[in-house]
Amino acid sequence: SQQGEEDPQALSIQEGENATMNCSYKTSINNLQWYRQNSGRGLVHLILIRSNEREKHSGRLRVTLDTSKKSSSLLITASRAADTASYFCATDGDSEYSTLTFGKGTMLLVSP
Amino acid sequence: GAGVSQSPSNKVTEKGKDVELRCDPISGHTALYWYRQSLGQGLEFLIYFQGNSAPDKSGLPSDRFSAERTGGSVSTLTIQRTQQEDSAVYLCASSLEVVDYGYTFGSGTRLTVV
Repeated sequence: SQQGEEDPQALSIQEGENATMNCSYKTSINNLQWYRQNSGRGLVHLILIRSNEREKHSGRLRVTLDTSKKSSSLLITASRAADTASYFCATDGDSEYSTLTFGKGTMLLVSP
Repeated sequence: GAGVSQSPSNKVTEKGKDVELRCDPISGHTALYWYRQSLGQGLEFLIYFQGNSAPDKSGLPSDRFSAERTGGSVSTLTIQRTQQEDSAVYLCASSLEVVDYGYTFGSGTRLTVV
């Protein structure tokens, strides 16, 4: 079943602008993760935020988590053409051996 | 190895034939996962391994799908009597443990059933 749902489905911006993608999920989690996918092949892990964390940074990425609203956001600052990709959020459950469930992703296009 | 390796990278097969997809995870990663992704869609969970055992096979679409992992390392996903709806990119990932670790994905096998 689909756990995380990203919004928007597609986002088109100019280089230098910020990109914000949102994710909503349904059940309790241990952690939430964001991944990037280029050209429909392997995904690359970007960042993991635990359920007891509210914000996390990694380079130009900022992730927030609001467990009361069951939502997360991924902010990419000062975007570059190379950031063009699909971005997925993924959540585990809160049981001991929960695997990740992925949303359908947000397709980000950054134009030079 | 340095990353997760999947083979073949592309496979075209005739409907009704069996196919075998291989995944070589990162050395030392105890958890291994298989997902598939249809065009423009999210990832559909198939199965995962903790060591050589598969605690969760709930995502396998039908009994034509099976997977095994030997020696806590290489895994193979076998699809018998392939159908056109099996066409997708099959992605393998591994992680140090199941919980609280990010996954490292391979580049996938693009399966086309004609």
